[in-house]
Amino acid sequence: GAVVSQHPSWVICKSGTSVKIECRSLDFQATTMFWYRQFPKQSLMLMATSNEGSKATYEQGVEKDKFLINHASLTLSTLTVTSAHPEDSSFYICSASLGLASETQYFGPGTRLLVL
Amino acid sequence: GQNIDQPTEMTATEGAIVQINCTYQTSGFNGLFWYQQHAGEAPTFLSYNVLDGLEEKGRFSSFLSRSKGYSYLLLKELQMKDSASYLCAVMETGGFKTIFGAGTRLFVKA
Repeated sequence: GAVVSQHPSWVICKSGTSVKIECRSLDFQATTMFWYRQFPKQSLMLMATSNEGSKATYEQGVEKDKFLINHASLTLSTLTVTSAHPEDSSFYICSASLGLASETQYFGPGTRLLVL
Repeated sequence: GQNIDQPTEMTATEGAIVQINCTYQTSGFNGLFWYQQHAGEAPTFLSYNVLDGLEEKGRFSSFLSRSKGYSYLLLKELQMKDSASYLCAVMETGGFKTIFGAGTRLFVKA
């Protein structure tokens, strides 16, 4: 099946720093990638939808200047959390889709971010 | 508006059958997914329904009624490893955006 990787798997940083998370589709070209955030014991909350070569579409309430998304190629999307604060600590998960109507999303293993 | 409801928690016994229900109200419908998520891990795909009826895949089955905005996931011959959260998710039309329910935490006891 399709494989999606994320790097890093976990990161601890100081408040005020920026953190970049990479999401790669390893064996397929992903037309669309999605970024989710998940707090403990809660479900996945979609942050943004990213299409290769175009600007990401952000969900209501998600600050696009704080969560920078770049979809540089059909196999790579990056999420940068700028000026991270403790409330940004969460589990960030990306997923990739082939863009077909019946296609499921393939999830990356997630990145656990802890901001001190 | 968009709303996906599923029970918060369920408990069942090893070897038994459990049904996890999901009701949804979304602005568009392009299919319903069920995912399994173990604590601290990413979700894994279980099933996809776009037409009414029952889809069976091994110990897991998923049912959909579009007119009722209702789905269920049926797990048979429960095993301890089935203890996890089960997420109901609806794909909207146009853009493949998927809305997730809060998930049902299933505890399987011996």
